[in-house]
Amino acid sequence: AQSVTQLGSHVSVSEGALVLLRCNYSSSVPPYLFWYVQYPNQGLQLLLKYTTGATLVKGINGFEAEFKKSETSFHLTKPSAHMSDAAEYFCAVSEVDTGRRALTFGSGTRLQVQP
Amino acid sequence: NAGVTQTPKFQVLKTGQSMTLQCAQDMNHEYMSWYRQDPGMGLRLIHYSVGAGITDQGEVPNGYNVSRSTTEDFPLRLLSAAPSQTSVYFCASSPGTVQETQYFGPGTRLLVL
Repeated sequence: AQSVTQLGSHVSVSEGALVLLRCNYSSSVPPYLFWYVQYPNQGLQLLLKYTTGATLVKGINGFEAEFKKSETSFHLTKPSAHMSDAAEYFCAVSEVDTGRRALTFGSGTRLQVQP
Repeated sequence: NAGVTQTPKFQVLKTGQSMTLQCAQDMNHEYMSWYRQDPGMGLRLIHYSVGAGITDQGEVPNGYNVSRSTTEDFPLRLLSAAPSQTSVYFCASSPGTVQETQYFGPGTRLLVL
């Protein structure tokens, strides 16, 4: 079974600073990995995903993530934080070996951006 | 194209009451699912469906029923509400394969007293 660990339930950065949100996964088969963002009182929106091919994946709003198989990681980064990036971010892995076609989510990281 | 819609947005129930959370999608997606979101726990899968007439249990199915009579609709029924079911409920849909993006509705916030 897959699992996802997000290090840090809260991360605070200054506007213009680097954003780094950490995600580690466990999977017995090659994973499909996702980052979703949730703005207050809204549903989840896809930021980016890794399925196959290039391990550096670019998403919306200037975010990117790199799949590192040797480290079982899929950390999310953005070079320069903007106030509008304040939200909760979820890393997820597809359940490729259960047949459920569902996502297993991490517990989430709330990003705060200070002016 | 409305995407995934959910009703109601907010509901208060008393313990023991029953209710149905509605979910609909207009993207002709085969796969639909229900998650619940609780603080510090991310989202957990309740039930899912891979097509009309086919449903199955997820990680936390107890106390919930689902049915899928059409491709568009996937209602979630709480049979006898309990305070432990206080949560935010999200419906999601996708075209079907594991690589595909899942599209989420705006959520239903449920409070059980």
